[in-house]
Amino acid sequence: EAGVAQSPRYKIIEKRQSVAFWCNPISGHATLYWYQQILGQGPKLLIQFQNNGVVDDSQLPKDRFSAERLKGVDSTLKIQPAKLEDSAVYLCASSFGTGGDGYTFGSGTRLTVV
Amino acid sequence: AQSVTQLGSHVSVSEGALVLLRCNYSSSVPPYLFWYVQYPNQGLQLLLKYTTGATLVKGINGFEAEFKKSETSFHLTKPSAHMSDAAEYFCALCRSGNTGKLIFGQGTTLQVKP
Repeated sequence: EAGVAQSPRYKIIEKRQSVAFWCNPISGHATLYWYQQILGQGPKLLIQFQNNGVVDDSQLPKDRFSAERLKGVDSTLKIQPAKLEDSAVYLCASSFGTGGDGYTFGSGTRLTVV
Repeated sequence: AQSVTQLGSHVSVSEGALVLLRCNYSSSVPPYLFWYVQYPNQGLQLLLKYTTGATLVKGINGFEAEFKKSETSFHLTKPSAHMSDAAEYFCALCRSGNTGKLIFGQGTTLQVKP
């Protein structure tokens, strides 16, 4: 089966610019997650979708970050405006259920804000 | 609150030696526990998981981990290190039966010397 697809793989932007990341989960996976992984740290959940509804966005900086999952399939994560501290790898993951059975992660998008 | 602590941000072993990566957790309810491996510029790959039942779980690539409730630990071991094991390893937990949010430790970089 195809894995979780993410694009772009790398992105360099200047601070105060905007950027968007795209994720296509495994077919049939109802749950989709976006994690932020800052260098030297473990991934941190930004937002979790169940189909096209938000389950948890408690750690999403809503003043600058937004995410959507229209039609319950693909998802887009946006940052506007970007700050230096947003430099990180943004990982998308999907799972069939919600019971913590483990996910499939994409390869991530490495964002550098200069 | 739930948390994961990985003892040692860097571990170095010789090829053929025992690998031991330490993970302790804090959770007020029975957790599901996971170990993930991350190779450079790649996403996270599941090594093994503990949900219920047998406390010694075996994973891919010869790794295993033992869930010790009394010690709140879930250490990862491999009897004989291989050069290809060099990577970053993350311990993670989620509450059993919850919405699937993973809480990660800060990671341990494993170096394997020839």
